[in-house]
Amino acid sequence: QITLKESGPTVVKPTQTLTLTCTFSGFSLSTSGEGVGWIRQPPGKGLEWLAFTYYNGDKRYSPSLRSRLTIIKDTSKNQVALTMTNMDPVDTATYYCAHRREECSGGSCARVLDVWGQGTTVTVS
Amino acid sequence: DIVMTQSPDSLAVSLGGRATINCKSSQSVLSSSSNKNHLAWYQQKPRQPPRLLIYWASTRESGVPDRFNGSGSGTDFTLTISSLQAEDVAVYYCQQYYSPPYTFGQGTKLEIK
Repeated sequence: QITLKESGPTVVKPTQTLTLTCTFSGFSLSTSGEGVGWIRQPPGKGLEWLAFTYYNGDKRYSPSLRSRLTIIKDTSKNQVALTMTNMDPVDTATYYCAHRREECSGGSCARVLDVWGQGTTVTVS
Repeated sequence: DIVMTQSPDSLAVSLGGRATINCKSSQSVLSSSSNKNHLAWYQQKPRQPPRLLIYWASTRESGVPDRFNGSGSGTDFTLTISSLQAEDVAVYYCQQYYSPPYTFGQGTKLEIK
């Protein structure tokens, strides 16, 4: 059974750097096809894909936030960390980490978010 | 980035009725090599994280009731919930996984009439 849990500060001040940690179990990020990443949701709004890291060391970032984001995996600890610099009140949101499942057939791969953490709320004020 | 646009933003359907949610992508998410659409649907109930419902545009995730059906191809997709149940009240999101960043639609809020 795959589980993920987010941790980090609930409040940060403007211009500070946010560091969130996702601690997971039930899979290894060194196994082919596995991925973990972050999605956020401002209060009352929709989902925004932020950054993902994969079993092979590949990383993908949202182009609009790329300059502010860093994602790092620690395979030995089953953790993925996300840092976001220069926080602003518009970054107030619930931040989710999620497991990306890769399922390949017929020459294509489905890369879907099949298990999510409960989310952690971050307020920038 | 591929822009995903859902319609309507909200809808109210009677219990036992049919709900139809549309999703349009700014470019095709159909893979020419596999003829598969890189499109997923998620359900988010209040105060919960999203839940994967459908991928490949029409493949139900394990455990998802068969009243949830996905259809469409290329740039136009539909999520249909037949025989609406009270527990289906949620916000529904489409997402493309064709090209990173794997963008979401803005969401459609489904309520009971």
